[in-house]
Amino acid sequence: AQKITQTQPGMFVQEKEAVTLDCTYDTSDPSYGLFWYKQPSSGEMIFLIYQGSYDQQNATEGRYSLNFQKARKSANLVISASQLGDSAMYFCAMREGPNNDMRFGAGTRLTVKP
Amino acid sequence: KAGVTQTPRYLIKTRGQQVTLSCSPISGHRSVSWYQQTPGQGLQFLFEYFSETQRNKGNFPGRFSGRQFSNSRSEMNVSTLELGDSALYLCASSSSRTGENEKLFFGSGTQLSVL
Repeated sequence: AQKITQTQPGMFVQEKEAVTLDCTYDTSDPSYGLFWYKQPSSGEMIFLIYQGSYDQQNATEGRYSLNFQKARKSANLVISASQLGDSAMYFCAMREGPNNDMRFGAGTRLTVKP
Repeated sequence: KAGVTQTPRYLIKTRGQQVTLSCSPISGHRSVSWYQQTPGQGLQFLFEYFSETQRNKGNFPGRFSGRQFSNSRSEMNVSTLELGDSALYLCASSSSRTGENEKLFFGSGTQLSVL
């Protein structure tokens, strides 16, 4: 069963505007980690931000923030002040408990318009 | 610190052949994971090696195998190639710690085309 769901295959945003990329997940493990990765056309996956299941506050990393709603099992990525270089595929991922592999959602293609 | 290095970057093979892909993790990292990425199936987990032992395995046929050496370098092998094996194969490494907060560092991938 799909554990990570990204319902937006593609998103458009105007340069300098903020954008939210959706991610919902499914797990019965109380201990898990949520990740967001960016994949430019070059192919390499770049780590953006991490949120632990026990973290009380939403994670932030520069222009990236994670809107973590544990009861709803959602972990949306917010990119503020979009830049042209933000155009890429974005993947939400989860690792359940220790010693488990990381599983990814289908991804969202973000296009930033000038 | 050098990143994750995957070789070769591109590979073209024909059906029925076998292929070996190589991955050198970040220095000090003991875990190496492999993923297959296709437009239709997205990113699918193949397997993970930690200290030369396979720790986790995804849902792939036995034609897909891997190994890890004592220096943490890893190889992935696909035997009897099929057209559907055409994909970007990504390798990722993580440090010796194991936990749900353990992030992966990815290489640029090997683009395999099966003709």
